[in-house]
Amino acid sequence: DAGVTQSPTHLIKTRGQHVTLRCSPISGHKSVSWYQQVLGQGPQFIFQYYEKEERGRGNFPDRFSARQFPNYSSELNVNALLLGDSALYLCASSLARGQGGNQPQHFGDGTRLSIL
Amino acid sequence: GESVGLHLPTLSVQEGDNSIINCAYSNSASDYFIWYKQESGKGPQFIIDIRSNMDKRQGQRVTVLLNKTVKHLSLQIAATQPGDSAVYFCAENMRGYQKVTFGIGTKLQVIP
Repeated sequence: DAGVTQSPTHLIKTRGQHVTLRCSPISGHKSVSWYQQVLGQGPQFIFQYYEKEERGRGNFPDRFSARQFPNYSSELNVNALLLGDSALYLCASSLARGQGGNQPQHFGDGTRLSIL
Repeated sequence: GESVGLHLPTLSVQEGDNSIINCAYSNSASDYFIWYKQESGKGPQFIIDIRSNMDKRQGQRVTVLLNKTVKHLSLQIAATQPGDSAVYFCAENMRGYQKVTFGIGTKLQVIP
């Protein structure tokens, strides 16, 4: 079975532009979460979506938004890009709505976003 | 805390020896804990998890220990192999909340 797939794998943008990152969860997984990982740090939670609704949000500005589609795939959008947005953006999927359901999240290999 | 500086703690282990990676978590209300392994250029890979009603759980070559009294989690890897070289993260979650908080990563270097 295919794991979590993300596209593109690498992306270069300039300040002020916007970007859309895509994620396909593991088949059967209805929950998708997005994380930002800056070099040398652990992943930071951005959003979780379950059944096409936002179920959780981390401490990120409104420039960050996301959505989930009927097939459970998801997009992360970032507007007005800043140099500090340069990071690895990770998508994770799980069976349950939250880890409280004791279902671990499984990660894709991420999109490396570089802002010039 | 949720973040770590540029210089990760590093554990160097001889091939074949056992490794112990430690983690202090921050939220006493967390009730689910996960260990992830992250190799260079890849996303975190699930290793093992444990619920707060347990203090030990074993997998293949790995054991997780949970001490809720001191909010401490450890990952033991038996007979460490070169393929175990990676950054290891612990993560915590509280029932009913969607946010998963990652701890400070530890870089494991296996010496052949």
